[in-house]
Amino acid sequence: GENVEQHPSTLSVQEGDSAVIKCTYSDSASNYFPWYKQELGKRPQLIIDIRSNVGEKKDQRIAVTLNKTAKHFSLHITETQPEDSAVYFCAARLANTGNQFYFGTGTSLTVIP
Amino acid sequence: GAVVSQHPSWVICKSGTSVKIECRSLDFQATTMFWYRQFPKQSLMLMATSNEGSKATYEQGVEKDKFLINHASLTLSTLTVTSAHPEDSSFYICSARDRWAFATNEKLFFGSGTQLSVL
Repeated sequence: GENVEQHPSTLSVQEGDSAVIKCTYSDSASNYFPWYKQELGKRPQLIIDIRSNVGEKKDQRIAVTLNKTAKHFSLHITETQPEDSAVYFCAARLANTGNQFYFGTGTSLTVIP
Repeated sequence: GAVVSQHPSWVICKSGTSVKIECRSLDFQATTMFWYRQFPKQSLMLMATSNEGSKATYEQGVEKDKFLINHASLTLSTLTVTSAHPEDSSFYICSARDRWAFATNEKLFFGSGTQLSVL
């Protein structure tokens, strides 16, 4: 299957600062890259996604960039707020018959008020 | 829309017993559902792909006889942990895609998860 790596594993930022989380993937057949936010004991929630034919996508304070050649994509959160504190997962979908999703190892983001 | 219901949310069982977890898509049809396992503070590890009307596809290293998957309808997939042992204790979470939402059918929606504790 696909191998998705994610960095950093933990990230602390001051409220109002930006946070950047980076992921790499191994299989060039992956064509869809969602980002999920998971609060403790809860289900992952989709926050933004990007397809392989797009280089960048933005939704208010959240943006994602994709470099297909280098096989890496990043999540950018600007003007961070305490409620942004959670674990963030990147994922890559393998474009095969099963369309499986493989997840990164997660980043625990803490926004310090 | 796109609600995935998972039950039970928490189960405690004795070693050697079997536990069934249900995953239902409430307002959409899902030909494919995915089962993940998550250890504390770790990532979601794909266990298997559940295919409606056919056999599940298991990831390497996942015992198919241990984790039985049935996807008998377009809205229900079940995961049965057979002869559970303490090492099977974990958070199990299912996910599904809407087969007809062509604009968004790539989006993965998650159930609320099941915390399994095997004594």
